[in-house]
Amino acid sequence: DAGVTQSPTHLIKTRGQHVTLRCSPISGHKSVSWYQQVLGQGPQFIFQYYEKEERGRGNFPDRFSARQFPNYSSELNVNALLLGDSALYLCASSWGGQGAKAFFGQGTRLTVV
Amino acid sequence: GQSLEQPSEVTAVEGAIVQINCTYQTSGFYGLSWYQQHDGGAPTFLSYNALDGLEETGRFSSFLSRSDSYGYLLLQELQMKDSASYFCAVRDNTDKLIFGTGTRLQVFP
Repeated sequence: DAGVTQSPTHLIKTRGQHVTLRCSPISGHKSVSWYQQVLGQGPQFIFQYYEKEERGRGNFPDRFSARQFPNYSSELNVNALLLGDSALYLCASSWGGQGAKAFFGQGTRLTVV
Repeated sequence: GQSLEQPSEVTAVEGAIVQINCTYQTSGFYGLSWYQQHDGGAPTFLSYNALDGLEETGRFSSFLSRSDSYGYLLLQELQMKDSASYFCAVRDNTDKLIFGTGTRLQVFP
């Protein structure tokens, strides 16, 4: 069975640009969450979606948005990129809510120059 | 505020036992999870405690004391492949995961 897949794996963008990151959850999982991980720190919660509805949002500016599609895949969008947005963006899926056990994808390494 | 504290680094030799502690202060609490992350890899789930006590999964065990807002991960019979970062994460009352800053474990031969 395929795990959580994210695309692209690496991305370089210029300040002010927009980026879209994609995530496909494990088959049967209805919840997708997004995290930002800066080097040397733990993942920081950005969004959670369950059954295509936003269930939670972390302390991130409105430049960050996300959505979940009928097939439960998800997109994370970031507008007006800043140098500080450079990080590893992780997607996690779980059957219900985040619950106890989340399955993470390999992440998208975003570099803003 | 919400915070989880872990030691930044722990070192040990192969075959040894190591304990990684985690203290937390969060607005809500459903349980404490532990994740392993190798350099360049994705976090991988190790264990979860919702109730006080010890959970054992092979070489790894995890403990929780809700009254002390404290937990630990115990790794036994350490192997070189255990060298990684370990994160505790609180599942809060909105069902999201709040991660600690991580503990880097280095295992030496």
